[in-house]
Amino acid sequence: KQEVTQIPAALSVPEGENLVLNCSFTDSAIYNLQWFRQDPGKGLTSLLLIQSSQREQTSGRLNASLDKSSGRSTLYIAASQPGDSATYLCAVRPGIYNQGGKLIFGQGTELSVKP
Amino acid sequence: GAVVSQHPSRVICKSGTSVKIECRSLDFQATTMFWYRQFPKQSLMLMATSNEGSKATYEQGVEKDKFLINHASLTLSTLTVTSAHPEDSSFYICSASRQDNSPLHFGNGTRLTVT
Repeated sequence: KQEVTQIPAALSVPEGENLVLNCSFTDSAIYNLQWFRQDPGKGLTSLLLIQSSQREQTSGRLNASLDKSSGRSTLYIAASQPGDSATYLCAVRPGIYNQGGKLIFGQGTELSVKP
Repeated sequence: GAVVSQHPSRVICKSGTSVKIECRSLDFQATTMFWYRQFPKQSLMLMATSNEGSKATYEQGVEKDKFLINHASLTLSTLTVTSAHPEDSSFYICSASRQDNSPLHFGNGTRLTVT
């Protein structure tokens, strides 16, 4: 059974710092991995999607990496800003073949960036 | 802009009543939509997969008679919480994707409070 774990559960950093959020999964047979942002009481915003054949994806100050063999993904946020404060969720789509899009989520990392 | 719209964003109901939540894909057809549930400080858990024109597929432990799903058109899926109880109070989020291997887009969620 696929399980997704995120470390740390919470993180507080001063503005301007670079930071790394970690995600691990127990079964390397994944179709893709997606990072989301969730603001309090809100839905999810997709940040980056990495297909199983890819090693990383970049969007602005965000960079996500994927190492399937070790069951790990990282989300790197450069030059953090107070507006980055949110909960970041990692989710994997299980199975080597597309099985309809259901995702398995980690518990999230709650990030607070202090001005 | 938003590609998945969810309504209502917040609802309060009394025990024993039923509540309907709508999920719409705004500019694409979604043959499959997904319904998730999120308890406070916890991650999202898939409840069911909504299939256009056929019965929904429920995850283990989710009561299909309590959480009725209807996917009558390619742009609309509804979740009805029947005979709601306080323990059904939660954050419900739907999602859909344009194509099978593209990012899943999420609605803004519905905060259900049962008194």
